Amino acid sequence: DQQVKQNSPSLSVQEGRISILNCDYTNSMFDYFLWYKKYPAEGPTFLISISSIKDKNEDGRFTVFLNKSAKHLSLHIVPSQPGDSAVYFCAVYFSGNTPLVFGKGTRLSVIA
Amino acid sequence: GAGVSQSPSNKVTEKGKDVELRCDPISGHTALYWYRQSLGQGLEFLIYFQGNSAPDKSGLPSDRFSAERTGGSVSTLTIQRTQQEDSAVYLCASSFYGRGDEQYFGPGTRLTVT
Repeated sequence: DQQVKQNSPSLSVQEGRISILNCDYTNSMFDYFLWYKKYPAEGPTFLISISSIKDKNEDGRFTVFLNKSAKHLSLHIVPSQPGDSAVYFCAVYFSGNTPLVFGKGTRLSVIA
Repeated sequence: GAGVSQSPSNKVTEKGKDVELRCDPISGHTALYWYRQSLGQGLEFLIYFQGNSAPDKSGLPSDRFSAERTGGSVSTLTIQRTQQEDSAVYLCASSFYGRGDEQYFGPGTRLTVT
């Protein structure tokens, strides 16, 4: 059973609009949450993270929101740019020295 | 500076053959990780090295899979008697200290077993 679910395999957004990518997790023990971005033929690159003591973390155009009661996190990109087109993975772990658990990814296409 | 490199970038092999995949982590990074991504799936953890030892091998799917790391640097993932279900992109990552740190990924090796 998947511990981390990204239910939208793909998302298409117009340039300048907001992109919202969603991620749900099952285990309330997870206390650290990350988003990675992946371009074709490249490895994933770290984008932004949040710990369970916060509900929001912002870095430029990227904001991650955490709703612990719903076991849900989301990544907001605003304004979206064509260069944001990539696959976005959410990843979670709990700080007891455990592996990162990744979702299956959401392919974002930003249309100019 | 140089990032994580992996070789080969692509490997096609016949079912039943052995393959070796190589990872060169970022210099000075003590932690190294192997993942694989099968078609339509997320990244699946395989093994974690701290220095030359592997405190977590829990993700290796079968005893056909093994990995080693030498000199606290280069790592090799070996798959014996490859099967078609082993076809995937194998990704290596490294981090400075350990699991709490940001992981830097290599570009991956695409393995196709025919």
